[in-house]
Amino acid sequence: DVKVTQSSRYLVKRTGEKVFLECVQDMDHENMFWYRQDPGLGLRLIYFSYDVKMKEKGDIPEGYSVSREKKERFSLILESASTNQTSMYLCASRTQRGRNEQYFGPGTRLTVT
Amino acid sequence: GENVEQHPSTLSVQEGDSAVIKCTYSDSASNYFPWYKQELGKGPQLIIDIRSNVGEKKDQRIAVTLNKTAKHFSLHITETQPEDSAVYFCAASRAGGADGLTFGKGTHLIIQP
Repeated sequence: DVKVTQSSRYLVKRTGEKVFLECVQDMDHENMFWYRQDPGLGLRLIYFSYDVKMKEKGDIPEGYSVSREKKERFSLILESASTNQTSMYLCASRTQRGRNEQYFGPGTRLTVT
Repeated sequence: GENVEQHPSTLSVQEGDSAVIKCTYSDSASNYFPWYKQELGKGPQLIIDIRSNVGEKKDQRIAVTLNKTAKHFSLHITETQPEDSAVYFCAASRAGGADGLTFGKGTHLIIQP
């Protein structure tokens, strides 16, 4: 079974703090993704990575950056957290070999106060 | 970029009846259309997907239809059961999902006993 794990289920941070959200997958997938999910807006793509050291902006990259130093790990960074970044953050991974399915982690509920 | 519209936002059906959720997309180059089911407290999980070279696909009680000319696709669930209650998301992508998915806003499906 593919497993995508996220470092925290719930996180509370203060405005201006630097925040790291970590995601790890155990299936040697090349592609990894970060989405945020907000009520009434669905899931929106923040950043994605085709492979190690590679990163591409998604639809809403402003205020975020990412890091992919190892194939299994994809980190989302909020350089200076703001209240409008309070959201559910979902990580996903996908293999380039065979199926197109994206496998999602359980999500991190981030609250910025 | 791609834009995906999903309707309805909430759907309530009697147990045993059928449910239909509809989506439209804007980018004629999109070629991959997955449907995800999200249960409370969990990440989305793929339930069925279709590529643009296929008009219909079925998996037990679940089917998806695609009309490329009209740029719309639909999810059909027959003989609904209580465990079908969840939020369902449609999505579209150009590259099989390698560059991320554009999601609809979601449909909350409620199965009435």
